[in-house]
Amino acid sequence: GAVVSQHPSWVICKSGTSVKIECRSLDFQATTMFWYRQFPKQSLMLMATSNEGSKATYEQGVEKDKFLINHASLTLSTLTVTSAHPEDSSFYICSARDFFNGYTFGSGTRLTVV
Amino acid sequence: AQRVTQPEKLLSVFKGAPVELKCNYSYSGSPELFWYVQYSRQRLQLLLRHISRESIKGFTADLNKGETSFHLKKPFAQEEDSAMYYCALSGSGQNFVFGPGTRLSVLP
Repeated sequence: GAVVSQHPSWVICKSGTSVKIECRSLDFQATTMFWYRQFPKQSLMLMATSNEGSKATYEQGVEKDKFLINHASLTLSTLTVTSAHPEDSSFYICSARDFFNGYTFGSGTRLTVV
Repeated sequence: AQRVTQPEKLLSVFKGAPVELKCNYSYSGSPELFWYVQYSRQRLQLLLRHISRESIKGFTADLNKGETSFHLKKPFAQEEDSAMYYCALSGSGQNFVFGPGTRLSVLP
């Protein structure tokens, strides 16, 4: 089946620094990928839709200058949390849609900003 | 607007008992409905999608457009079914909306 690889699985960074999270579709091409955020004991909240070769579409309330999304190829989307603050600490999950398997999710990245 | 509700945050049943996880949705068009499961320390994985109409791990779900529901059912719960279950809806534009999730706890 389709596999989505997300890296890193966890990261700790200092407040004010930037962190990049990668999402790769390993055995299929994904023109669209999605980025979610999950707070403890809460559901996944869609942050943005990443479109290959064009600008990402952000959900209301998500700062596009803070959460930079780049979808440079059909198999890679990156999310960069810029000038991270402790309140950005969360679990970030990406997903991609495969024609045959539907939506496949990455394993997630736990970001802790200290 | 797309919206998914799961009224139960936590559902506890005994092993062998039937289980039903409720999911209701609101969407003006024809949605695609899914159930995802997240076992402890594992990634979110697809359990069911309504268009495939299949049974996975003994779970089934029927889309009821009249009641705008997509409840997940299993006649005999097993301890390994204990997990977090998310109902999700995909409308136009391919994006997903997830419900808040229901934690199923199957007691021995």
